[in-house]
Amino acid sequence: SAVISQKPSRDICQRGTSLTIQCQVDSQVTMMFWYRQQPGQSLTLIATANQGSEATYESGFVIDKFPISRPNLTFSTLTVSNLSPEDSSIYLCSGVVQGEQYFGPGTRLTVT
Amino acid sequence: AQSVTQPDIHITVSEGASLELRCNYSYGATPYLFWYVQSPGQGLQLLLKYFSGDTLVQGIKGFEAEFKRSQSSFNLRKPSVHWSDAAEYFCAVGLYNTDKLIFGTGTRLQVFP
Repeated sequence: SAVISQKPSRDICQRGTSLTIQCQVDSQVTMMFWYRQQPGQSLTLIATANQGSEATYESGFVIDKFPISRPNLTFSTLTVSNLSPEDSSIYLCSGVVQGEQYFGPGTRLTVT
Repeated sequence: AQSVTQPDIHITVSEGASLELRCNYSYGATPYLFWYVQSPGQGLQLLLKYFSGDTLVQGIKGFEAEFKRSQSSFNLRKPSVHWSDAAEYFCAVGLYNTDKLIFGTGTRLQVFP
């Protein structure tokens, strides 16, 4: 299994600024992902965080808006850039261990 | 295109009653199927998964799910619901060989005493 933590747990940011979210896993995972959960909605995959290389983004998500880093097998960051109220969501990271995907508690972002 | 449908947005049951949450999927290959639960303020917890083999899968917290290929369904069941089961439940399909998940829209379960 894996225990995943995220920082911050929540934040309120002003329009036009950026927020960087950290994701830490307590064990090495093969894959890490970032998801967005908009208010009252389901989870949408943003990107796959690749260790040591550029992230792979899903349709509708771009690197300029959601830059991702993954310097090693247990840590990743997601930055949400140039914030607008539409970015208000919960952002979750996940890690895969032996075929099972474990999720962090999420970061609740509110943009004012 | 791959998709997951959870037809019930909100379900209310009495404590002790049985529960069935519906999930239908659309996927061209043999699906990997999952049920997750999300309690308020918490992350997602895996309840159970189906990869292959026995179509009736047992999970944690007394939940089970049955894979029916002919109906493209993977419904979640529990014989007797507890108040602590009140949460949001998500069905998901895993894309072959990628570990990516596509989630349904979720079903919010409310439990009355």
